[in-house]
Amino acid sequence: GAVVSQHPSRVICKSGTSVKIECRSLDFQATTMFWYRQFPKQSLMLMATSNEGSKATYEQGVEKDKFLINHASLTLSTLTVTSAHPEDSSFYICSARKEGAGNTIYFGEGSWLTVV
Amino acid sequence: RKEVEQDPGPFNVPEGATVAFNCTYSNSASQSFFWYRQDCRKEPKLLMSVYSSGNEDGRFTAQLNRASQYISLLIRDSKLSDSATYLCVVNIRTGGFKTIFGAGTRLFVKA
Repeated sequence: GAVVSQHPSRVICKSGTSVKIECRSLDFQATTMFWYRQFPKQSLMLMATSNEGSKATYEQGVEKDKFLINHASLTLSTLTVTSAHPEDSSFYICSARKEGAGNTIYFGEGSWLTVV
Repeated sequence: RKEVEQDPGPFNVPEGATVAFNCTYSNSASQSFFWYRQDCRKEPKLLMSVYSSGNEDGRFTAQLNRASQYISLLIRDSKLSDSATYLCVVNIRTGGFKTIFGAGTRLFVKA
């Protein structure tokens, strides 16, 4: 099966600082990756679709200047939470679409962000 | 109307029960379909793809009804370990591909 790796798995940062989360497809190339946020006991919320070589497409209500997405290669997308605040504390998950039969989505392990 | 809608949960069932989830989609350009399972505080993991002819994997059966635009997941002989959130995912071809996630249905299997 395909593997998507996300790093770091847990991060604690101070309010006002920025945090970068990496999402890598380890054994396939992914033109399209996705970033989600999930609060406790709530559904996954799609934040943005990351397209290699072009600007990300953000969902309504997601601040693109706060959540910077860079998809610089076919195997790496990064999400940077800028000027983080405690309300940004959440579980952030990425996924990558493996193109081909079915275009199956594979998820990273997720990153727990705590802003103190 | 949401592009992909799932049964509202939670479903509370006893061990050994059979439980079925439905997921409806509104876009007729929907092309591929999947069920994922998400355990608490973990990432979703692919449970099974859904094929036009229907497919089975052990206690799990997935079906697609294109005419009525829904997919289903049937779990037979429920185990405690089946407790999780089940997400349906739909790929829509609109020039490129768009992937839409259902909100998920929580299942609790109790002894």
